[in-house]
Amino acid sequence: ETGVTQTPRHLVMGMTNKKSLKCEQHLGHNAMYWYKQSAKKPLELMFVYNFKEQTENNSVPSRFSPECPNSSHLFLHLHTLQPEDSALYLCASSQPGLAGANEQFFGPGTRLTVL
Amino acid sequence: EDKVVQSPLSLVVHEGDTVTLNCSYEVTNFRSLLWYKQEKKAPTFLFMLTSSGIEKKSGRLSSILDKKELFSILNITATQTGDSAVYLCAVGHDYKLSFGAGTTVTVRA
Repeated sequence: ETGVTQTPRHLVMGMTNKKSLKCEQHLGHNAMYWYKQSAKKPLELMFVYNFKEQTENNSVPSRFSPECPNSSHLFLHLHTLQPEDSALYLCASSQPGLAGANEQFFGPGTRLTVL
Repeated sequence: EDKVVQSPLSLVVHEGDTVTLNCSYEVTNFRSLLWYKQEKKAPTFLFMLTSSGIEKKSGRLSSILDKKELFSILNITATQTGDSAVYLCAVGHDYKLSFGAGTTVTVRA
């Protein structure tokens, strides 16, 4: 266990559905991240939050909407997704700072399938 | 364009062998290079390297960074079946962390 939990672990949704992914960290960190991992592709950074403020949006389509209500929780709201959005979505946390300045701890991921 | 390239993409070895994984990069404003191990779950942190020529070791794993030639290597000695995983290289630069595609290591008994 890394101290970062994600729910649900698996999600199947239709293109017209709205769902949310949840991430919670128990490490006292102040930076949280969303990544997308598609088959045979490098991990892609989606969003970065430092002290609840979004500091990076890596050209992610608006059908993905992050929310960080406090330093321990991070959500990814999904709506009108496409089949190519099917992937493993990983959450991570770290001490605050520029990306790569501190070790990141990853959650187990949510395996998302869009039908 | 920023690049993080890992090689080989995959390899198969027998227990007891030594493996060397490579990660080369071309990025602006390099900050750090990180290695992660990913089995069928979350990536787990192995090393973070920021200075050239200083080897970091953890048990049978070691890693070193060459900031002049823009690469890092990860060595695993006396491999065990539990070392089978995808090894990810990531580079912190600008305001991003860019990952390579990973090297899949399979260790056969």
